[in-house]
Amino acid sequence: GAGVSQSPSNKVTEKGKDVELRCDPISGHTALYWYRQSLGQGLEFLIYFQGNSAPDKSGLPSDRFSAERTGGSVSTLTIQRTQQEDSAVYLCASRRGMNTEAFFGQGTRLTVV
Amino acid sequence: GQSLEQPSEVTAVEGAIVQINCTYQTSGFYGLSWYQQHDGGAPTFLSYNGLDGLEETGRFSSFLSRSDSYGYLLLQELQMKDSASYFCAVRKGSGAGSYQLTFGKGTKLSVIP
Repeated sequence: GAGVSQSPSNKVTEKGKDVELRCDPISGHTALYWYRQSLGQGLEFLIYFQGNSAPDKSGLPSDRFSAERTGGSVSTLTIQRTQQEDSAVYLCASRRGMNTEAFFGQGTRLTVV
Repeated sequence: GQSLEQPSEVTAVEGAIVQINCTYQTSGFYGLSWYQQHDGGAPTFLSYNGLDGLEETGRFSSFLSRSDSYGYLLLQELQMKDSASYFCAVRKGSGAGSYQLTFGKGTKLSVIP
């Protein structure tokens, strides 16, 4: 089937607004990751989900960030009261198992104005 | 915690060979992966080492030494299209965070004529 799908591809929002970013992983992949990448920078880990286990939220930068994964498939990353420093590309990736490669979506470019 | 170190930039001549190093510190190390990312694109998987030694995939090879917590990516017969950022990533294998996939900050490779 299709690869990892993210929507929207681009989002411009006003400072202080809430945004939701969506990730549809590859079917059958149990692990799902969110990363943030600022211009020209590396991949900053935010959160990951593995099966029915509690998510690892250790990378979330503040309590304005939250994520959920419904039915072990689609995931939504929510940023509340967006700030200009939240502007970045948000990448989602999924993996089938621990000893497998990760597949990335094309990302959502978030711009907070 | 975990940390990965890799050079921020490397420049090499078309047709030459280039090596991108990566050192890491982590508990529960399972393996080292390499990803390529072109400007504006999604990271794509290149290579994985779970055991010490060299893995070869076409023009790309990757090496791992667990005892030295060190690995490298070797690109041969460089082509202009190889200009991209290259990320090493650690896979954890056991205990808490066993599905964690942590990336280095990336090495920007510029291939010049």
